[in-house]
Amino acid sequence: EIVMTQSPATLSVSLGQRATLSCRASQSISSNLAWYQQKPGQAPRLLIYGASIRATGIPARFSGSGSGTEFTLSIGVLQSEDFAVYYCQQYNGWPRTFGQGTKVDIK
Amino acid sequence: QVQLQESGPRLVKPSQTLSLTCTVSGASISSGDYFWSWVRQHPEKGLEWVGYIFYSGNTYYNPSLMSRMTISIDTSKNQFSLELNSVTAADTAIYYCARADGGIGEVYALWGHGTLVTVSS
Repeated sequence: EIVMTQSPATLSVSLGQRATLSCRASQSISSNLAWYQQKPGQAPRLLIYGASIRATGIPARFSGSGSGTEFTLSIGVLQSEDFAVYYCQQYNGWPRTFGQGTKVDIK
Repeated sequence: QVQLQESGPRLVKPSQTLSLTCTVSGASISSGDYFWSWVRQHPEKGLEWVGYIFYSGNTYYNPSLMSRMTISIDTSKNQFSLELNSVTAADTAIYYCARADGGIGEVYALWGHGTLVTVSS
């Protein structure tokens, strides 16, 4: 099983600042990585797939990068609606696995 | 607009079978290159991929649950279902049905609202 490790567990950021989240895979997953945003009481929302492709309707302030084992999600100019938990997911190996999440909260 | 809706008992006794159904509206479950999936989330925890089924009936399961689970599809009702037997408290979770689009990779752009299933006597 491919283990996905996200860091940090919690990221405190001020409104209008930039947030950078990391996700590391225990073995190479090429670019088969997605990022999701989850708010309390809601289902996850797909943000990024293919490591760097924004899903339909996702604002340009969300960007993804990386390949192999190291990936990054950047949120530029943080808005109030961006405070949430973010998960990465690999779809290269079996079973599909998620990271444990990074909570982005208000500083 | 395509929507997914989970249904089934919210409370299951230990050792019994958890049964959930996902009803797809706004599109045919038989069309497209889609993976009809279940993902669960333990309370205050992260996400766990459970498994999926194609409209053809081919299935892929998480090995950690494979011996206890079955995913099936009913194209006539536009539904797919999850059965998980011999449940324990560790199976208490929010169960989401979701659709992955094979055209963009096995990523979940469409989710149901989720249903909390509690395993307790």
